[in-house]
Amino acid sequence: GQQLNQSPQSMFIQEGEDVSMNCTSSSIFNTWLWYKQDPGEGPVLLIALYKAGELTSNGRLTAQFGITRKDSFLNISASIPSDVGIYFCAGQLYTSGTYKYIFGTGTRLKVLA
Amino acid sequence: EAQVTQNPRYLITVTGKKLTVTCSQNMNHEYMSWYRQDPGLGLRQIYYSMNVEVTDKGDVPEGYKVSRKEKRNFPLILESPSPNQTSLYFCASSFAGGGNTIYFGEGSWLTVV
Repeated sequence: GQQLNQSPQSMFIQEGEDVSMNCTSSSIFNTWLWYKQDPGEGPVLLIALYKAGELTSNGRLTAQFGITRKDSFLNISASIPSDVGIYFCAGQLYTSGTYKYIFGTGTRLKVLA
Repeated sequence: EAQVTQNPRYLITVTGKKLTVTCSQNMNHEYMSWYRQDPGLGLRQIYYSMNVEVTDKGDVPEGYKVSRKEKRNFPLILESPSPNQTSLYFCASSFAGGGNTIYFGEGSWLTVV
């Protein structure tokens, strides 16, 4: 199945640093979603984006819907230890007569205190 | 509270013994879907349903069945489980159509021995 290109795959950062990750695709999406998943748990929605160019914040998290509608990024400012986890993007597109969600492979974030 | 509920959360079973993983959502969503998540492979769609009595195969449907007799429930059935179906399974739901957000259950860890 189709997957979004998400990078980086993993990263170690120091507490207090800012983090940036992104997802890209050759397809055009009408919605971009960002999730955090803790080990063994279900993905929890962080930010939803519905319009090209939209920039949305949720606390220390900021995400943007790319102008071309083919990419999105997520920034985390001033990281803290509880930011550890897997972050992944999801895009919704219209294909073959139906709407479909496509997922990134995830960015594993490790924060060093 | 809006949620997607899966049961069981954890299950160890033997090869060939039929099992059902239930999924229920209380958000009146038309769209429901099952995914499996394996290391390095991300989320892969098993089956999805656009509404009651409407189901379609996802990317990895072999060895699975689903039904959608009621809007809120979407059980996943493994008629004859095999070890390669050992995985973490997620149920998810959303409103149908574009510009919607998909919500996940907490996951079901399934081990087939």
